[in-house]
Amino acid sequence: EDKVVQSPLSLVVHEGDTVTLNCSYEVTNFRSLLWYKQEKKAPTFLFMLTSSGIEKKSGRLSSILDKKELFSILNITATQTGDSAIYLCAPDAGGTSYGKLTFGQGTILTVHP
Amino acid sequence: DTEVTQTPKHLVMGMTNKKSLKCEQHMGHRAMYWYKQKAKKPPELMFVYSYEKLSINESVPSRFSPECPNSSLLNLHLHALQPEDSALYLCASRPQSSGGPYEQYFGPGTRLTVT
Repeated sequence: EDKVVQSPLSLVVHEGDTVTLNCSYEVTNFRSLLWYKQEKKAPTFLFMLTSSGIEKKSGRLSSILDKKELFSILNITATQTGDSAIYLCAPDAGGTSYGKLTFGQGTILTVHP
Repeated sequence: DTEVTQTPKHLVMGMTNKKSLKCEQHMGHRAMYWYKQKAKKPPELMFVYSYEKLSINESVPSRFSPECPNSSLLNLHLHALQPEDSALYLCASRPQSSGGPYEQYFGPGTRLTVT
């Protein structure tokens, strides 16, 4: 059975801090790993990672995948209050999974002014 | 355009009612998904449609009945729900269910309350 573990489960920081969110996974037929940000409603897409060691970057957010050790990290630098959200990772298992995503429990990030 | 739309945004229904949730995308995607999300929990897959055919049913109770009338539209028919079915129901889509890798795009969700 696919397994996804995120850590920490919650994190409280002040504006300007840098945070690192972790995601470890065990899935068969791994194809990619997706990161999402969820505020009040739907998860919004952040990154899709397919290759080990290649960093994806978007503004203050960046993410990297280690396919050998089966984990990914999401970094947020110079955090802002608008970064407060739940961050979800989900590996895409490929094969006969029909694109099914199995989400980790999420990391609740709270950024105080 | 990477938009998935869902209606209604909010729904309150009694346990004897019949209602439907609607999801639409015009990105030409051929894989569509229903997820259920309870408070403080991650989304959990309910159904997958691939090329308008039901491909995965994650042992969802029959009081939830999905339908995919065409490649752009996905419905979830609700009947005789229980209060524990109250949740955020999310629709998502991606270009195809196989191959890839592909991003999966989510709609804004329908907040369902069963009284």
